Amino acid sequence: GDSVTQMEGPVTLSEEAFLTINCTYTATGYPSLFWYVQYPGEGLQLLLKATKADDKGSNKGFEATYRKETTSFHLEKGSVQVSDSAVYFCALSGSTSGTYKYIFGTGTRLKVLA
Amino acid sequence: DAGVIQSPRHEVTEMGQEVTLRCKPISGHNSLFWYRQTMMRGLELLIYFNNNVPIDDSGMPEDRFSAKMPNASFSTLKIQPSEPRDSAVYFCASSPYSEGRQPQHFGDGTRLSIL
Repeated sequence: GDSVTQMEGPVTLSEEAFLTINCTYTATGYPSLFWYVQYPGEGLQLLLKATKADDKGSNKGFEATYRKETTSFHLEKGSVQVSDSAVYFCALSGSTSGTYKYIFGTGTRLKVLA
Repeated sequence: DAGVIQSPRHEVTEMGQEVTLRCKPISGHNSLFWYRQTMMRGLELLIYFNNNVPIDDSGMPEDRFSAKMPNASFSTLKIQPSEPRDSAVYFCASSPYSEGRQPQHFGDGTRLSIL
């Protein structure tokens, strides 16, 4: 079945450092891919998405490119801030017609130090 | 626009009591999901509704758990009787039905503690 694998955290970085959080997926069809962010005490919020191969999703300085050849959707940001400290979830859905389930990774905790 | 609204935000109750969690999805969204999040298991899908009809409840852990969606703007998740191992954060999420092509929108969750 479909699955998502994220790098384990926690990831600890200094402010202004470059961020990469790896995400790879397994899917039988052509899923949509998402990154969600969860701040303490809150629900998951959509950060960015990509719906087809080579699409690049971007938001708030974060980017991720849908790479079909490597089945990856790595999250990157050039310069992190303390306010980016949160848990990040990679997810996929809709890989085959009629598939409603969203498959979430286990989450990667990011801690940014001032 | 109002997002997904969950209530209560926090619930503390004693083992054996009935617990009812409530969710109001975003207007116009016809898919609704209930999740449970714990440190040990991460995010687990409990049940999925489409157009108010339960489609998949295979994630509901036991018969003590039940969920309803009487109309397009309201859903409940009930635990009766509650047990300490039910302690978790419960999230409701909604999305437009699009076979998963659109993102889900999450509420802020209900933090449930069973003593």
